[in-house]
Amino acid sequence: DTGVSQDPRHKITKRGQNVTFRCDPISEHNRLYWYRQTLGQGPEFLTYFQNEAQLEKSRLLSDRFSAERPKGSFSTLEIQRTEQGDSAMYLCASDTSGNTIYFGEGSWLTVV
Amino acid sequence: AQKITQTQPGMFVQEKEAVTLDCTYDTSDQSYGLFWYKQPSSGEMIFLIYQGSYDEQNATEGRYSLNFQKARKSANLVISASQLGDSAMYFCAMRANYGQNFVFGPGTRLSVLP
Repeated sequence: DTGVSQDPRHKITKRGQNVTFRCDPISEHNRLYWYRQTLGQGPEFLTYFQNEAQLEKSRLLSDRFSAERPKGSFSTLEIQRTEQGDSAMYLCASDTSGNTIYFGEGSWLTVV
Repeated sequence: AQKITQTQPGMFVQEKEAVTLDCTYDTSDQSYGLFWYKQPSSGEMIFLIYQGSYDEQNATEGRYSLNFQKARKSANLVISASQLGDSAMYFCAMRANYGQNFVFGPGTRLSVLP
């Protein structure tokens, strides 16, 4: 399968712990996005990379969140000191210069 | 700022009938794209159809068509001959052609009845 892949698909963690999600975009795509989606809502933009450069960050991305794309290929999203409000699905997407972006299946986070 | 409004939280349609899902948008950009995505319960966002703001023809992709009315700032999705597998959340989204961020609406849950 050559689509966007995300790992892990599901994560349950205790409040205060750190979690990290990985995204592998479609191989020829130079742009990578992270979105957050809570139940009953549409996805909300978090951050965007072009190659390894992080070009845009949403105000939703508090200082507990950090995203990297060190070699312009895969990306990681880390959440430090998780809070119950961080419970959501974290979606990764990628594209090139085309008219749409392609999403992964998401990583579900539950903070207990 | 861009905003997408989907006023139908839930819709029901009988199998084999057509259904229209509403989407209105607000933007000050002159050049932009409008998109519809389907999200089944598995969570994956599946691209359905795209309409450019300068496209004069309404976009069509198989059973999906986009009813684009630029003056009204609406981009409704029409699904013809509904199938049980069409039951899912549907999201309208837009992106300015010189921007990178997609803005999504709150979604409409479509249920297809046998």
